[in-house]
Amino acid sequence: QKEVEQNSGPLSVPEGAIASLNCTYSDRGSQSFFWYRQYSGKSPELIMSIYSNGDKEDGRFTAQLNKASQYVSLLIRDSQPSDSATYLCASGMERGFQKLVFGTGTRLLVSP
Amino acid sequence: DGGITQSPKYLFRKEGQNVTLSCEQNLNHDAMYWYRQDPGQGLRLIYYSQIVNDFQKGDIAEGYSVSREKKESFPLTVTSAQKNPTAFYLCASSSRGRSQPQHFGDGTRLSIL
Repeated sequence: QKEVEQNSGPLSVPEGAIASLNCTYSDRGSQSFFWYRQYSGKSPELIMSIYSNGDKEDGRFTAQLNKASQYVSLLIRDSQPSDSATYLCASGMERGFQKLVFGTGTRLLVSP
Repeated sequence: DGGITQSPKYLFRKEGQNVTLSCEQNLNHDAMYWYRQDPGQGLRLIYYSQIVNDFQKGDIAEGYSVSREKKESFPLTVTSAQKNPTAFYLCASSSRGRSQPQHFGDGTRLSIL
């Protein structure tokens, strides 16, 4: 059974702090990884994708991938109350189309 | 504006009734997917389709059916055989190619009357 594991949280951080969200995956064949943000009652929104070991930065977001440890993380710098949401981690195989495996998500709460 | 349109936003099903959820995309994506999300749970794959006139069962296909007659459209029917249909249903699509992410519609919330 291919799995993606996330701590359900909530992860509480004060405004302006760095939020660190973590994810582990079981399938060593996974090649692509995605972070989605889901506000309560809304659909998931893609915020980051990462395919190679190391860091990838996009604005306040940094995704980190360590394939040897089967570990993916998302850092949110200067956290804002509007970042409060559930963050879903997903992994996929590098094929013609993506059948993704999703984690259950980590709920992030950013307090003013 | 390119995107994925799901309708209706809210849907109520009576006992013994089949209902159909619509999903249309104008992103020219080859692959389309249907997920179910229950409160506090992750996304579970119901069906997916890579090309027109072809689709495969996901992890929880029992009680559901789909069709893919057009590239743009992938409707999901929740049949009376699905005894616990109350959930948030999400349609997604992705383009063919290496490591393409999935993009989601706004979802349909289905409840039992």
